[in-house]
Amino acid sequence: GDSVTQMEGPVTLSEEAFLTINCTYTATGYPSLFWYVQYPGEGLQLLLKATKADDKGSNKGFEATYRKETTSFHLEKGSVQVSDSAVYFCALSEKKGAQKLVFGQGTRLTINP
Amino acid sequence: GAVVSQHPSRVICKSGTSVKIECRSLDFQATTMFWYRQFPKQSLMLMATSNEGSKATYEQGVEKDKFLINHASLTLSTLTVTSAHPEDSSFYICSARDPGTADTEAFFGQGTRLTVV
Repeated sequence: GDSVTQMEGPVTLSEEAFLTINCTYTATGYPSLFWYVQYPGEGLQLLLKATKADDKGSNKGFEATYRKETTSFHLEKGSVQVSDSAVYFCALSEKKGAQKLVFGQGTRLTINP
Repeated sequence: GAVVSQHPSRVICKSGTSVKIECRSLDFQATTMFWYRQFPKQSLMLMATSNEGSKATYEQGVEKDKFLINHASLTLSTLTVTSAHPEDSSFYICSARDPGTADTEAFFGQGTRLTVV
């Protein structure tokens, strides 16, 4: 079945550092790809998405490009802030059927001032 | 964006009792909602897909008699944890898609922290 693999955390960085969180996927079709963020004690919020190959999703300084050839959707940010501390989930969804989301294991990010 | 509201946000119950969690789509009608369970420091595991007016579709390994799902209207799905035990303690999250848009984004409730004592 479909699956998503993220780099294991936790990840700890200093403020203004460059961030990369790797994400690769396996899917039978051509899924949509997502990054969700979860702040402590809260539900998930969509951070960005891409629905087809070579699409780049971006939001709040975060970016990720849908790479079909490497089946990847790595999350990047050029200069992280303390407020970016959260758990980040990579996910995919098939475009047909119930469109249920399949999540990676999550990566906990801590940014120190 | 669309809003999904989940209630309660926290609940503590005694072993053997049942707990109901509500998930509402506030500004759209959702024919399909999803229920997830999240263990500490782990990812979200899909438990079931809730379909308005019909039976829920459960994922493999999820006990349908223990986790009762009802989706009686286009804006409300409920998850009832029956005869709860401490191992049912977890963070439960619902989500829904807005079928009125072409977007594939899923909107999530704020989650319910269940503690069974």
